[in-house]
Amino acid sequence: GAVVSQHPSRVICKSGTSVKIECRSLDFQATTMFWYRQFPKKSLMLMATSNEGSKATYEQGVEKDKFLINHASLTLSTLTVTSAHPEDSSFYICSARDQGLSSGGANVLTFGAGSRLTVL
Amino acid sequence: RKEVEQDPGPFNVPEGATVAFNCTYSNSASQSFFWYRQDCRKEPKLLMSVYSSGNEDGRFTAQLNRASQYISLLIRDSKLSDSATYLCVVNFSNYGQNFVFGPGTRLSVLP
Repeated sequence: GAVVSQHPSRVICKSGTSVKIECRSLDFQATTMFWYRQFPKKSLMLMATSNEGSKATYEQGVEKDKFLINHASLTLSTLTVTSAHPEDSSFYICSARDQGLSSGGANVLTFGAGSRLTVL
Repeated sequence: RKEVEQDPGPFNVPEGATVAFNCTYSNSASQSFFWYRQDCRKEPKLLMSVYSSGNEDGRFTAQLNRASQYISLLIRDSKLSDSATYLCVVNFSNYGQNFVFGPGTRLSVLP
């Protein structure tokens, strides 16, 4: 089946620094990827839709200058948390939609394993 | 009204019990429906897609009622390993990217 790799799985950084998280589709091409944020015991919150070769689409209330998204190829999207603040500490998860053979064309979302960010 | 709503839970059931979760969605143009399972501090994983005719996968049965705009998940003979949060996911368009997640229902299967 489709596999999405997300890296790093854990990162600890100091306030004011920037952190980059990578999301790769390993066996399929993804023109669109999604970035979510999840707080403890809460559901996923869609932050933005990453579009290959064009600007990301951000959800209401998500600062695009704070959360930079780049989707430079059909298999890689990156999320950079800039000037990190302790409030940015969270679980960030990416996903990609696989419409190919591995999903039987079923329009299924596959998730990366998530990145746990802790800002000190 | 939220786009996708689920039973709030948590559901605490003994091993071997049968448990059912419901999910309602607000957009009648919704095209695709899924149940995902999320373990604590892990990413969601696809449990099953939900088809109009209903579908079954072992102990899990999913049903879709388009007229009433709800989907359900039935788990029979619950196992301890079924303990997780179950997320209802609705895609409002087969050609768009509008996957909407429900808030999730937490299940704890007790020995």
